[in-house]
Amino acid sequence: AQSVTQPDIHITVSEGASLELRCNYSYGATPYLFWYVQSPGQGLQLLLKYFSGDTLVQGIKGFEAEFKRSQSSFNLRKPSVHWSDAAEYFCAVVTLTQGGSEKLVFGKGTKLTVNP
Amino acid sequence: KAGVTQTPRYLIKTRGQQVTLSCSPISGHRSVSWYQQTPGQGLQFLFEYFSETQRNKGNFPGRFSGRQFSNSRSEMNVSTLELGDSALYLCASSLNWDTQYFGPGTRLTVL
Repeated sequence: AQSVTQPDIHITVSEGASLELRCNYSYGATPYLFWYVQSPGQGLQLLLKYFSGDTLVQGIKGFEAEFKRSQSSFNLRKPSVHWSDAAEYFCAVVTLTQGGSEKLVFGKGTKLTVNP
Repeated sequence: KAGVTQTPRYLIKTRGQQVTLSCSPISGHRSVSWYQQTPGQGLQFLFEYFSETQRNKGNFPGRFSGRQFSNSRSEMNVSTLELGDSALYLCASSLNWDTQYFGPGTRLTVL
């Protein structure tokens, strides 16, 4: 079965420091990968997605992610974190079912705390 | 374009009651999916509707049901509520099979 693993439950960084959030996936075919961000009490906002092509994808809010097939990873990065980036981040892979339906399989999330 | 909207935003119910949540997708989106988010289980897929047909269902009991209307709006219903049904229920819509856009969620508390 498809799965997504985010090894870090909680990460704390200082404002202005660089950030890398890890994501590993298990999927037999070419994966379609996403990063979403969730602020407290809010829904999920799409940061970026990877379907094919360039393995380094740019997203909103200065985030980028790199797809590495050999490592089954899709890590999220930001060169300089802002206090407003404090939130929970979810990596997800879309899976297609026999009926043509799709569903997202999410990792457990990584909560990011930003110290001033 | 307006985003995905969900109503109500907050609900408090007691055990044994039933509840109906509503989701209006982004205009033109025909696929609507529902997810349950809890601290213990994380984000779990409930079901997906496309053109008024349920195409996929997650591993939830039959107390959880849904439907989709001709205008793509969707409702989900939970009957005989249990304490464990307390969660954030998220709706997402998509135009194609690729990208899902989420609403703000409905926070359900069961007492």
